[in-house]
Amino acid sequence: SQTIHQWPATLVQPVGSPLSLECTVEGTSNPNLYWYRQAAGRGLQLLFYSVGIGQISSEVPQNLSASRPQDRQFILSSKKLLLSDSGFYLCAWGQGGGSWGETQYFGPGTRLLVL
Amino acid sequence: AQSVTQLGSHVSVSEGALVLLRCNYSSSVPPYLFWYVQYPNQGLQLLLKYTSAATLVKGINGFEAEFKKSETSFHLTKPSAHMSDAAEYFCAVSDILTGGGNKLTFGTGTQLKVEL
Repeated sequence: SQTIHQWPATLVQPVGSPLSLECTVEGTSNPNLYWYRQAAGRGLQLLFYSVGIGQISSEVPQNLSASRPQDRQFILSSKKLLLSDSGFYLCAWGQGGGSWGETQYFGPGTRLLVL
Repeated sequence: AQSVTQLGSHVSVSEGALVLLRCNYSSSVPPYLFWYVQYPNQGLQLLLKYTSAATLVKGINGFEAEFKKSETSFHLTKPSAHMSDAAEYFCAVSDILTGGGNKLTFGTGTQLKVEL
């Protein structure tokens, strides 16, 4: 069966510090991968998605970036964190294949607090 | 773009009572609709998915949802609430992305409280 991992679970970082959040998926090949953020007042929002190694698309302009160095690894980064980057970051994977209506499965999330 | 609206940010029911969480969608094409549940400090867990195969969709934990095109609704129900059902529930609609993959657009969520 498929499993999705995220770490760290919780992170407290000062403004201006760098960020690296990692997501890995087990039990599937060539998944679509997604980063969502859940923040007060902004709901759940898609940040980045990837349909293959090295392929990254951004949904909203922001202070963050994403990378996919391996098939089942998705990394969210920032060079300098802002207060507004605080939130709950969720990684998800989908069945892929380019079909509409794929089911997305979510990881346990990372709680980021920027002070 | 497709969207969903969840009416009622907070719903409170007694244990054993009917649970009804409302979701209305806006879509120019037949939608793919989802319900997810989120327990405190956890990720989202899929409850059920509508794919047009059947209007009544059964999910996990005794939940089901009925797709009504005439009302553009996809309300979530459970006949008898249990204390363990207390959580936040999200309705979502799927859009296909230009570069492949799908974007889930979520409603604002409904916090379900179950009282003794």
